[in-house]
Amino acid sequence: DAKTTQPPSMDCAEGRAANLPCNHSTISGNEYVYWYRQIHSQGPQYIIHGLKNNETNEMASLIITEDRKSSTLILPHATLRDTAVYYCIVRVGGSSNTGKLIFGQGTTLQVKP
Amino acid sequence: GAVVSQHPSRVICKSGTSVKIECRSLDFQATTMFWYRQFPKQSLMLMATSNEGSKATYEQGVEKDKFLINHASLTLSTLTVTSAHPEDSSFYICSARDGQGTSEQFFGPGTRLTVL
Repeated sequence: DAKTTQPPSMDCAEGRAANLPCNHSTISGNEYVYWYRQIHSQGPQYIIHGLKNNETNEMASLIITEDRKSSTLILPHATLRDTAVYYCIVRVGGSSNTGKLIFGQGTTLQVKP
Repeated sequence: GAVVSQHPSRVICKSGTSVKIECRSLDFQATTMFWYRQFPKQSLMLMATSNEGSKATYEQGVEKDKFLINHASLTLSTLTVTSAHPEDSSFYICSARDGQGTSEQFFGPGTRLTVL
């Protein structure tokens, strides 16, 4: 099973871009990278996912390196409400219907005024 | 995104009793549902995966006779914690996905279980 490595914590100034790194050096060719975040005492919230190409949606951008061994989640203009634990997950089981999300320890992002 | 609900949001019970937690997908058909547990200051731990109409697949170390999972319809899964004890106190979170393998997986708001 591919595993991910994330820094335990990061700070970001409000209004600035937050760049959250993730290493997944053992990722397989058909395994997607997912990003979720969890605000205290709530269920995780889906942010974005990707396989090879960079992805962007209304919440964030996902940059995946060409060798797919690492990725970066970018929150373009962080707000105080973005303070949360961010999880980078490689979906075990790839794109199959048996795939499942195994959570690591995540990165606690603190957005400061 | 799609909505997953859980009921109850919070439950307190006495040791030895059984507690049932419901998980519903409100606007999509969830062919696969997942149950996670989260202890304070820890990450989510996957307990089991269930497909509609099939028996759940439990992760290593999770007692299937203690944590009964039923996924009887495409919109409802239940987790029953049988003979609950204080060490079962935790935050239980369900998640649901539709039939497409690469689709998003949506999480419920969680259920806080406290066993006295």
